[in-house]
Amino acid sequence: GAVVSQHPSWVICKSGTSVKIECRSLDFQATTMFWYRQFPKQSLMLMATSNEGSKATYEQGVEKDKFLINHASLTLSTLTVTSAHPEDSSFYICSATQGLNEKLFFGSGTQLSVL
Amino acid sequence: GENVGLHLPTLSVQEGDNSIINCAYSNSASDYFIWYKQESGKGPQFIIDIRSNMDKRQGQRVTVLLNKTVKHLSLQIAATQPGDSAVYFCAENYGANSKLTFGKGITLSVRP
Repeated sequence: GAVVSQHPSWVICKSGTSVKIECRSLDFQATTMFWYRQFPKQSLMLMATSNEGSKATYEQGVEKDKFLINHASLTLSTLTVTSAHPEDSSFYICSATQGLNEKLFFGSGTQLSVL
Repeated sequence: GENVGLHLPTLSVQEGDNSIINCAYSNSASDYFIWYKQESGKGPQFIIDIRSNMDKRQGQRVTVLLNKTVKHLSLQIAATQPGDSAVYFCAENYGANSKLTFGKGITLSVRP
């Protein structure tokens, strides 16, 4: 199946710093990428939908200035958690698809811990 | 919508037995359903999918059943193995936008 690479797999940062997470589709062009957040023992919650070359669409309650998403190419989307605080500590997961109603392929996730 | 409770329900099965994992989905207009497996610290892994024009689909050792009347989805795993231990999520999609809504998840624990 298609491969989605997410980097880093884990990151520890100090409160107030910004963290960038990368999501790459390695063997296909991803017109759409999605970013999810997952707290321990809970399900995946969609944060935003990212389409190549356009602004991301954020779900209700997700601060777009807090979670900056860039999808500058068909193989790369980035999520930047700005001015991270301990409550932003979570498992962040990206997924990518080649097109509408196509299968989604997930990255391996990034565990963010903010001290 | 999803239950965001603190503890996922757990299904414990004996190695070699068949497992049945159930999911109640939320949107009667959803037309595409997927089962994912998630191991600790990893992203979800695709298991099997089914579209709303079908009620059953089989894969290797897995079968998905869809009952649209009661908005129920199930995953059957034959001859459950220790490597099947993980959290299982159902997901639904409505419309051609690939935007998935995930269910709350169930932990499958396989006893050796």
